[in-house]
Amino acid sequence: GAVVSQHPSWVICKSGTSVKIECRSLDFQATTMFWYRQFPKQSLMLMATSNEGSKATYEQGVEKDKFLINHASLTLSTLTVTSAHPEDSSFYICSARGGLAVYNEQFFGPGTRLTVL
Amino acid sequence: QKEVEQDPGPLSVPEGAIVSLNCTYSNSAFQYFMWYRQYSRKGPELLMYTYSSGNKEDGRFTAQVDKSSKYISLFIRDSQPSDSATYLCAMSIKAAGNKLTFGGGTRVLVKP
Repeated sequence: GAVVSQHPSWVICKSGTSVKIECRSLDFQATTMFWYRQFPKQSLMLMATSNEGSKATYEQGVEKDKFLINHASLTLSTLTVTSAHPEDSSFYICSARGGLAVYNEQFFGPGTRLTVL
Repeated sequence: QKEVEQDPGPLSVPEGAIVSLNCTYSNSAFQYFMWYRQYSRKGPELLMYTYSSGNKEDGRFTAQVDKSSKYISLFIRDSQPSDSATYLCAMSIKAAGNKLTFGGGTRVLVKP
């Protein structure tokens, strides 16, 4: 299957700082990338959908000024958590999808664990 | 009420037993149904996907969809300790861009 990487795999930062997480599709062109967050023992909650070259579409309740998403190329999307606070501590997972088939599988990255002190 | 309901478990079975997982959903517009496996601190991995009512088999895995009852199942035969993970069901609607709506996940423990 296709491979999606995330960097970093874990990060610890101080409250008030910004953190950037990268998501890369390694062997395919991702027309769409998705960003999720997952709290311990809970399911994945979609934060936003991004299509290459256009603005991200955020889910209801997700602050777009706090979670900046950039999808500048067909293989890279970034999520920047601005002015991070302890409540932003979570597991952030991206997925990538390519192609125009009726159903397009999403390939998930390994996730990034963010801890805000 | 959540759109997709899934028993959180944990579900503990002896090695070699059949693991039976299920999800119920409320939105009849869902068209595609997926099962993912997620190991601790890792991203989800797609196991099965279906888009019609009935059964679909792939190796030790069988996915079942009953759209009339809004109920989907995943069966794992000859379970192994390496099957111990959290299993997530997910559903999507093509007109909504096939965004995935996940169930809460069921934690499965297969004991040797």
